[in-house]
Amino acid sequence: SQTIHQWPATLVQPVGSPLSLECTVEGTSNPNLYWYRQAAGRGLQLLFYSVGIGQISSEVPQNLSASRPQDRQFILSSKKLLLSDSGFYLCAWSPSAASPLHFGNGTRLTVT
Amino acid sequence: AQSVSQHNHHVILSEAASLELGCNYSYGGTVNLFWYVQYPGQHLQLLLKYFSGDPLVKGIKGFEAEFIKSKFSFNLRKPSVQWSDTAEYFCAANNNDMRFGAGTRLTVKP
Repeated sequence: SQTIHQWPATLVQPVGSPLSLECTVEGTSNPNLYWYRQAAGRGLQLLFYSVGIGQISSEVPQNLSASRPQDRQFILSSKKLLLSDSGFYLCAWSPSAASPLHFGNGTRLTVT
Repeated sequence: AQSVSQHNHHVILSEAASLELGCNYSYGGTVNLFWYVQYPGQHLQLLLKYFSGDPLVKGIKGFEAEFIKSKFSFNLRKPSVQWSDTAEYFCAANNNDMRFGAGTRLTVKP
């Protein structure tokens, strides 16, 4: 069966420090991969999505970047965190556009 | 730009009342549509989905949604809500770029 792992669960980082959040999927190949930020009253904001290795689509100009170094690995990064980067980040995958998403447990990021 | 909009931010109903939550999408070409629910303190769960065929889709817990292509809508309905339906509901559209609406918070009074 397929599983998704996202870590860390919580993270407190100072302003200006780098960020790396990891997400891996097991039990499937060539998944569609997604990074979202969830904020109260704003739903899930799509940050990045990828339909294959080396194919990253960025949705919102921001201080973040994403990479897909392996088929089932999706990394969210920042070189220098801002206070406004605080939030709840969710990784998700689906086998196709017609399939629902499977979510990771999320990362609560606090930038101090 | 492709987007999903939900008309109602917060809906308050009494038990046994009927529910309809609005959802409109702005996508060109083929689109797959979903409704998710998030109960307090929990992750999102899939309620139902549409990708082809009968435009009236039935999901779990008595929910249904109707795809109206001419109106770019995918409204969620339930004939009689229960207190346990209190949650946040999200409409989503996907053409490899799953986008969510801002969500509608539903409060059902016992």
